[in-house]
Amino acid sequence: DIQMTQSPSSLSASIGDRVTITCRASQSIGRYLNWYQQKTGKAPNLLIYAASSLESGVPSRFSGSGSGTDFTLTINSLQPEDSTTYYCQQSYSTPWTFGQGTKVEI
Amino acid sequence: EVQLVESGGGLVQPGGSLRLSCAASGFTFSSYDMNWVRQAPGKGLEWVSYITSSSSTIYYADSVKGRFTISRDNAKNSLYLQMNSLRAEDTAVYYCARDRSGYQRYDYWGQGSLVTVSS
Repeated sequence: DIQMTQSPSSLSASIGDRVTITCRASQSIGRYLNWYQQKTGKAPNLLIYAASSLESGVPSRFSGSGSGTDFTLTINSLQPEDSTTYYCQQSYSTPWTFGQGTKVEI
Repeated sequence: EVQLVESGGGLVQPGGSLRLSCAASGFTFSSYDMNWVRQAPGKGLEWVSYITSSSSTIYYADSVKGRFTISRDNAKNSLYLQMNSLRAEDTAVYYCARDRSGYQRYDYWGQGSLVTVSS
């Protein structure tokens, strides 16, 4: 199975900050990497797919980059509603695995 | 509007069975692959099972293989997860999620159905 490791597990930032979350795969996954945002008590919401493609309706302050084993999710100009948990997911091979999550606090 | 609504969760004893349903609306259900993803209380996300639009291909996580069965009824716009031999570690919120073709991304999710396995 491909292991996905996110860092940091949590972070604290201020409104307007630029925040970066890293996701590392245990083997190369090309660009088969998706990012989700999950608010407490709610279903996850797709933000980024194929490492860097912005899902329709997602604010442009969210962006993704990377390929192979190392990926990043960047939130430019952090907003109050961005204070929640983010997960990466590899869709390269089954079982499709998620990172452990990164909690962003403001 | 795309909607996915899970039902069938509840409290069940270890070793028991439960069947989850996911009712889809607002899109052509028969054209999309579907998934079940679960989340144990306070934990992260775990992919559980996948089924193609025609049911021709099915995958399971090792943790549920041999105990859970995914199925669908395209005429009823419904996805199912039959869960047998339930264990305490199966306790979780179970989400159904639509699979957008290309890069296996889950673009719509249901609200989740809580399954609690406890005596």
